[in-house]
Amino acid sequence: GAVVSQHPSRVICKSGTSVKIECRSLDFQATTMFWYRQFPKQSLMLMATSNEGSKATYEQGVEKDKFLINHASLTLSTLTVTSAHPEDSSFYICSAPRGVAGQATGELFFGEGSRLTVL
Amino acid sequence: AQSVTQLGSHVSVSEGALVLLRCNYSSSVPPYLFWYVQYPNQGLQLLLKYTSAATLVKGINGFEAEFKKSETSFHLTKPSAHMSDAAEYFCAVTFGGSQGNLIFGKGTKLSVKP
Repeated sequence: GAVVSQHPSRVICKSGTSVKIECRSLDFQATTMFWYRQFPKQSLMLMATSNEGSKATYEQGVEKDKFLINHASLTLSTLTVTSAHPEDSSFYICSAPRGVAGQATGELFFGEGSRLTVL
Repeated sequence: AQSVTQLGSHVSVSEGALVLLRCNYSSSVPPYLFWYVQYPNQGLQLLLKYTSAATLVKGINGFEAEFKKSETSFHLTKPSAHMSDAAEYFCAVTFGGSQGNLIFGKGTKLSVKP
């Protein structure tokens, strides 16, 4: 079964509103989680690294004020898309290292993804 | 700079035919390599991984990949395609200890014809 769960799987919102996506690790603790964005027919791009108890680390070109990340606990990270616009429509995927070995090798568990559509 | 190149954005094979999805990487340090599969509207599922052990790696669903350092390649193969193999396949690389800075290829969509 899934070890990383995202919610919601699909969300449609109006332009200008904010949307929160949750990423939970099931049955394991994740001090670090990663948020990826996938454009249609393209690859995944790392947006940011979520760190429990500290600020997220954003990749170059990602607006930290637009994509707010909070890692409230060892099993939950949230991504909030603030003042969403149609160009923010995308597939957002979170992931967490696959245990201690995963932290060393980069192997990740991925969530099911959240498809955001901004009208 | 490290990068991953997947040759062919779309590969089509007949059911029962050999599947070959190509992946090349560039790196100045030993890489860890992964193949992930993505079914429509779903997240990614790990198919297999190379983490400096055996160069021929066997994964789930009958897939395997061989790490060839001399060719900087990690091509994915399956002897006989099934209809259920139709999906998007991503090759990814990381370099250990970076805790998630996976670099993904652009993906290859595999279609399987009956």
